[in-house]
Amino acid sequence: AQSVTQLGSHVSVSEGALVLLRCNYSSSVPPYLFWYVQYPNQGLQLLLKYTSAATLVKGINGFEAEFKKSETSFHLTKPSAHMSDAAEYFCAVVSGGYQKVTFGTGTKLQVIP
Amino acid sequence: DTAVSQTPKYLVTQMGNDKSIKCEQNLGHDTMYWYKQDSKKFLKIMFSYNNKELIINETVPNRFSPKSPDKAHLNLHINSLELGDSAVYFCASSQELRDTGELFFGEGSRLTVL
Repeated sequence: AQSVTQLGSHVSVSEGALVLLRCNYSSSVPPYLFWYVQYPNQGLQLLLKYTSAATLVKGINGFEAEFKKSETSFHLTKPSAHMSDAAEYFCAVVSGGYQKVTFGTGTKLQVIP
Repeated sequence: DTAVSQTPKYLVTQMGNDKSIKCEQNLGHDTMYWYKQDSKKFLKIMFSYNNKELIINETVPNRFSPKSPDKAHLNLHINSLELGDSAVYFCASSQELRDTGELFFGEGSRLTVL
């Protein structure tokens, strides 16, 4: 079954610093990989999606992610963190024969002024 | 207009009571889901319905009973509430996952069982 693993439940960066949130997927190539963001007391919203069309995917709010098959990774990056980026970030994959979306355990991003 | 809306946003109740959460989507999607998010933010799928038909039931206790009167609505009824049911319950909808894979979430319903 397809699954994703997020490394690091908490990440702290200084405002203006690089953001790197890590996600690895299970070995068979997934059809879709996602990053979702959850701001406090809100639902999840899609940041970006990998669909095999391009390995470097650009999303909203300046985030991007690179699909690396050799490393089974789909890490999320942003060159310069902003205070408004503080949130919970979830990596996810379509699984179960396209029946469901399975989420990683989430990474809480803290941005320090 | 809110795409996926859930009511109520907050529920506080005693153990043993029964409660319901309602969800409606106006996106024209065929599939709707219930996810449970625990205190550690872990998200786990509970149920999914496609055109009113139950597709996924992820080993959820029988006390949880989803109901989909039509493809735009998916409700969740919980009997005999237990302390461990305290969580945030998210409704979501999607087109065919094979086509897009994207989920649209409601804002969540925070259930507190005392």
